[in-house]
Amino acid sequence: AQSVTQLGSHVSVSEGALVLLRCNYSSSVPPYLFWYVQYPNQGLQLLLKYTTGATLVKGINGFEAEFKKSETSFHLTKPSAHMSDAAEYFCAVGSTLGRLYFGRGTQLTVWP
Amino acid sequence: DAGITQSPRHKVTETGTPVTLRCHQTENHRYMYWYRQDPGHGLRLIHYSYGVKDTDKGEVSDGYSVSRSKTEDFLLTLESATSSQTSVYFCAISESGQTFNYGYTFGSGTRLTVV
Repeated sequence: AQSVTQLGSHVSVSEGALVLLRCNYSSSVPPYLFWYVQYPNQGLQLLLKYTTGATLVKGINGFEAEFKKSETSFHLTKPSAHMSDAAEYFCAVGSTLGRLYFGRGTQLTVWP
Repeated sequence: DAGITQSPRHKVTETGTPVTLRCHQTENHRYMYWYRQDPGHGLRLIHYSYGVKDTDKGEVSDGYSVSRSKTEDFLLTLESATSSQTSVYFCAISESGQTFNYGYTFGSGTRLTVV
């Protein structure tokens, strides 16, 4: 069975500071991992994904995530936060049955 | 996303009335999904479809039914709306069941309020 835990429902950072959003997963098969972002009153859009190969994955808007099998983690980072990064972020794990399992989300606030 | 459209965008309905939400795609994707989003719960799968007339239940399917008579349309029906079904509903599409290849594309959502 697949599941995702996002540590911290709210994260606040100052503009220019490091962004770190934590995601741990549980999967009985090799995981396929995703990060999505949701801006207010919008749907979710794909930030990045890990399928196979390089464990450090780069996405849009300067975000990246590293797959660490030994830690069952897929944390999302960005070196320098921008005001426009304020949004809700969702980690998800995919199954070969054609479904994604989502975490409960982390709301990112960026202070000026 | 221009390839997936949800209607209506907002709806207020009374308890006990039937409600149908529509998801329309122009991508010819095989897989379609209905999720609801609630504070503190993230996204929860209601129903999904893996082809015309082929549907299956998700984790929170009670009180909901779906139909897919054409590739492009996936309808979600609340047979008798209750206040607990007040939520934001998202439709998603996927090119194949192998989500590791493509992930999902989401619609913009329908905000449903049951009074």
